[in-house]
Amino acid sequence: EPEVTQTPSHQVTQMGQEVILRCVPISNHLYFYWYRQILGQKVEFLVSFYNNEISEKSEIFDDQFSVERPDGSNFTLKIRSTKLEDSAMYFCASSEWTGDRYEQYFGPGTRLTVT
Amino acid sequence: DAKTTQPNSMESNEEEPVHLPCNHSTISGTDYIHWYRQLPSQGPEYVIHGLTSNVNNRMASLAIAEDRKSSTLILHRATLRDAAVYYCILRDKEGGTSYGKLTFGQGTILTVHP
Repeated sequence: EPEVTQTPSHQVTQMGQEVILRCVPISNHLYFYWYRQILGQKVEFLVSFYNNEISEKSEIFDDQFSVERPDGSNFTLKIRSTKLEDSAMYFCASSEWTGDRYEQYFGPGTRLTVT
Repeated sequence: DAKTTQPNSMESNEEEPVHLPCNHSTISGTDYIHWYRQLPSQGPEYVIHGLTSNVNNRMASLAIAEDRKSSTLILHRATLRDAAVYYCILRDKEGGTSYGKLTFGQGTILTVHP
């Protein structure tokens, strides 16, 4: 069964450093998402992406964040200058299409630890 | 955003049915009801969704009240692997356009006892 993959599984970085989290969505999917989950808290939407453009973003997704689909398979989330409060699990998701009827498939997540 | 209300936690015994309730009294006529779950240390996983009629799939059943103000996720025979946080989510719409954003609440923590 096709699945969303994410690398690395765990990333440790120092405050102020740039990190890139990588995701490989399911191959025929057209919509891509990033979510994050701070330990013990809710899963929060960050951004959705379609046709090489951001479709929607949350208040969390400020200028420190960016997303890119550099080739036909990868989807990346970059944090330019990490802060302690960026420590969280980051989940990538993809869906075949958008709209209420289409489910999202999530990856296993990348645990980001900012020290 | 249309909101949902779920119990914080529920418990079940293995092999028994589990009924997970969700209230969504402000649901709009075109909002789909989605259920996802999150197993420990994993990403969320789609379970089932529906609009008005009851739905069945290999994982679960979804019973939707006639007025659509509540729904119930039914696991017919709980297994230890079903221990997870279960989220009831209404798909967001803004200006009539939905880009697929999922808004997660706290969900229901399901504990399954052997």
